[in-house]
Amino acid sequence: AQSVTQPDIHITVSEGASLELRCNYSYGATPYLFWYVQSPGQGLQLLLKYFSGDTLVQGIKGFEAEFKRSQSSFNLRKPSVHWSDAAEYFCAVGGSSGGGADGLTFGKGTHLIIQP
Amino acid sequence: DTEVTQTPKHLVMGMTNKKSLKCEQHMGHRAMYWYKQKAKKPPELMFVYSYEKLSINESVPSRFSPECPNSSLLNLHLHALQPEDSALYLCASSLVRSINTGELFFGEGSRLTVL
Repeated sequence: AQSVTQPDIHITVSEGASLELRCNYSYGATPYLFWYVQSPGQGLQLLLKYFSGDTLVQGIKGFEAEFKRSQSSFNLRKPSVHWSDAAEYFCAVGGSSGGGADGLTFGKGTHLIIQP
Repeated sequence: DTEVTQTPKHLVMGMTNKKSLKCEQHMGHRAMYWYKQKAKKPPELMFVYSYEKLSINESVPSRFSPECPNSSLLNLHLHALQPEDSALYLCASSLVRSINTGELFFGEGSRLTVL
């Protein structure tokens, strides 16, 4: 069965500092990987996705993520955070065999706090 | 138009009430989803519709009744709910029901409180 682990429940970063959010997955075949962001009281927005190809993926809002098969990781990074980045971040894994979003497994989320 | 619109944004209902949540998208997506999200938890899949047909029901109690009248609309009918059903209900859509064709588009959710 597939699973996603986000080891950090909360992360606090100063505005302007760099950010890395960790995500480890377990999946028997080629995973499809996603990062979603959820601002308070809002729905989820896709930041980026990895299906295949270049292991460094660029997303919206200046975010990037790197797929490392050997470490089963898909960590999210941003070189300089802004106060508006404060939100909940969810990593998700889906199967390359299809099955739709019913095959999508979310991590428990990481709550990002930005200090002035 | 890249939006999924959910109404109402907030709903308070008693345990004997009947109410409905509505979701609409005009992106031509043929897969639509209902998720339930409790505070500080990830979304949990409830229902999946593919080409207006119910594809997945994740063992959701019958007091939740989904309906997909056409390819743009998705409803969730609520009846005899319990206080523990209070949550944020998220609607999402995707082009088709296949993980490798793209992303899920989420609405902002309907926050439900059951008294």
